[in-house]
Amino acid sequence: QVQLQESGPGLVKPSETLSLACTVSGSSISTYYWTWIRQSPGTGLEWIGCIYSTGSTNYNPSLKSRVTISVDTSNNQFSLSLSSVTAADTAVYYCARETYYSDSRGYSGHAFDIWGQGTLVTVSS
Amino acid sequence: DIQMTQAPSSLSASVGDRVTITCRASQAITNYLAWFQQKPGEAPKSLIYAASSLQTGVPSRFSGSGYGTDFTLTISSLQPEDFATYYCQQYNTHPRTFGQGTKLEIK
Repeated sequence: QVQLQESGPGLVKPSETLSLACTVSGSSISTYYWTWIRQSPGTGLEWIGCIYSTGSTNYNPSLKSRVTISVDTSNNQFSLSLSSVTAADTAVYYCARETYYSDSRGYSGHAFDIWGQGTLVTVSS
Repeated sequence: DIQMTQAPSSLSASVGDRVTITCRASQAITNYLAWFQQKPGEAPKSLIYAASSLQTGVPSRFSGSGYGTDFTLTISSLQPEDFATYYCQQYNTHPRTFGQGTKLEIK
């Protein structure tokens, strides 16, 4: 059974860097896209970015200047770093897996299938 | 960014009802559309991908359809455990974007 578990501080001070890790169990971190998503009452679900097992990344342009996602294949983990945080970055942060599919209709792509339980990060002094 | 718009924002229904939620993309996304279910205090759960393919373990009362810009999620006969918030999401391009959600409540 594949499981994703987020970990990291639940409280971060304004202007500091938010750092979270997602530990993957039951699945190799290779050959998938690994994603960070956040959710706050004000902005709903927001895609932060993703990383492929090779280290190739895509970031949301709205956060790109502050975001770094990295992967540690030896420990089956990937991580999120978000710098210069403000109260607007207060949210529940989820990690998720995108899996490749190819179906009988000839369609193929990468879609979310597994999510972590989420971790609340509050930005406050 | 591709904007995803869901309708309605909230919906009241009874056990056994058939309900439909719509999702519209601001530009064509072929069938790169997923649906998620989220209950209070829980992470979203993946229901459907490629507009109409059910994730493993999802009951057959859930179905999806659509192509291009207009999509629907249908629950054929509501069960008590289906009362939740539902989100659509496009994965045609980066950044991935989500609808604002449809809250399905018990009438």
